[in-house]
Parts: sequence; C-alpha cells; structure tokens
Amino acid sequence: AQSVTQPDIHITVSEGASLELRCNYSYGATPYLFWYVQSPGQGLQLLLKYFSGDTLVQGIKGFEAEFKRSQSSFNLRKPSVHWSDAAEYFCAVGGLEGNKLVFGAGTILRVKS
Amino acid sequence: NAGVTQTPKFQVLKTGQSMTLQCAQDMNHEYMSWYRQDPGMGLRLIHYSVGAGITDQGEVPNGYNVSRSTTEDFPLRLLSAAPSQTSVYFCASSYSTGTHEQYFGPGTRLTVT
Repeated sequence: AQSVTQPDIHITVSEGASLELRCNYSYGATPYLFWYVQSPGQGLQLLLKYFSGDTLVQGIKGFEAEFKRSQSSFNLRKPSVHWSDAAEYFCAVGGLEGNKLVFGAGTILRVKS
Repeated sequence: NAGVTQTPKFQVLKTGQSMTLQCAQDMNHEYMSWYRQDPGMGLRLIHYSVGAGITDQGEVPNGYNVSRSTTEDFPLRLLSAAPSQTSVYFCASSYSTGTHEQYFGPGTRLTVT
C-alpha cells in the first residue's frame, strides 16, 4: 500500500537559518509528489509538485524540493526561513487510482527569533 | 473565481444527530474529494468523486455518505454523528484524474459531544 512518512513531528529553526523537512514515500510506480502548507486555522496551500523531469523543483515562497528515487525521498528545503513560514507542512503522494492523495502526518515548523 | 467553498466553518452536534457539510467549486473540476484531518494523522480520504453521478469510498468512509448530482457540488452527510467524527473536514477538487493537483477549501471544524 502507498504510504508517506514524515519523520519529524516538530522542528524549530531560528529565523534566517536553513530548513529541510524530510519526506519518504512508498509507492510502486513513478509517484506524483506534493508539498502542502497549512497555516493555523487555514486550508492547505500547494507549495510545489513533482510529476517528472528535473528532480529539483521550485515552488512558491522560496521553497524547493528534490526527488531522489533511490532513497524514495522528496525533502523540502528553504535556504533562509522567515517567521511567516511557521506552519504545518504536509508531504503527499498521488498518481493513484481515482486521483487520490495519500498524506504524511505532517511536520509542525516553529520559527524562533 | 471563489475556488472551493465549504459551509459551515464551525459546527457542534450532539451524538446521534445528522447533518450535511456543503462543498462547492466553481472551477468546473471533475474530481472532488473529502478528507478529515486529525492531529498526528495528516489528512485521510473519506469519499471521492471522479465526475457527476460517480462516487467511491476512500480510506475512512464509515459513517459518511456522499452524492454528486452536479459538477459543482459534493455534499458530505453524517448519518448519525459520533464523538469519533470530531475532526476538521476538508473538501478538495482537481481538474481531472490526470492532473492530480488538488485545490482545498478552508475546512469545517466539527465537534460531536
């Protein structure tokens, strides 16, 4: 069965520091991979997606992610975190029957000044 | 475009009551889905629809019904509310089953006492 693992439940980084959020997936075929962000009390906003091609994808708000097939990973990165990046981040895998998405449990990012 | 809209934003039910969560989209998307979000569990798919008149079960369908009589609307019905259905519910839509990128509504926070 398809699954997504986000090993870190909480991460705290200082403002201006770099960030990497980890995501590992289990899926037999070529996956469609997504990162979503959820600010408190809000819905989910798509940060970036990988379908095929270049394994380093750029998203909104200065985020990027790298697809590594050999490691079944799709880690999210940002070189310099801003206080407004504090939110919960979800990795998801698609490409499944019926357009379904399978989500990881999420990583809560706290930014300290 | 309003995108994906959900009503109500908040709802409190007593055990055994029924209600319908409304979801509508104005993007002419074929695919619509309902997820529930619980702490530490990410989002889990309840039901989905690949077009008007077609619905199918997701990962956690028990206790919920859906119908899709129009492209725009995809209501979620709770038949007899239980405390285990206390959650935040998100509706999502996407253009087709091939694109996979989904757009999320703002959510409905439901409490069952």
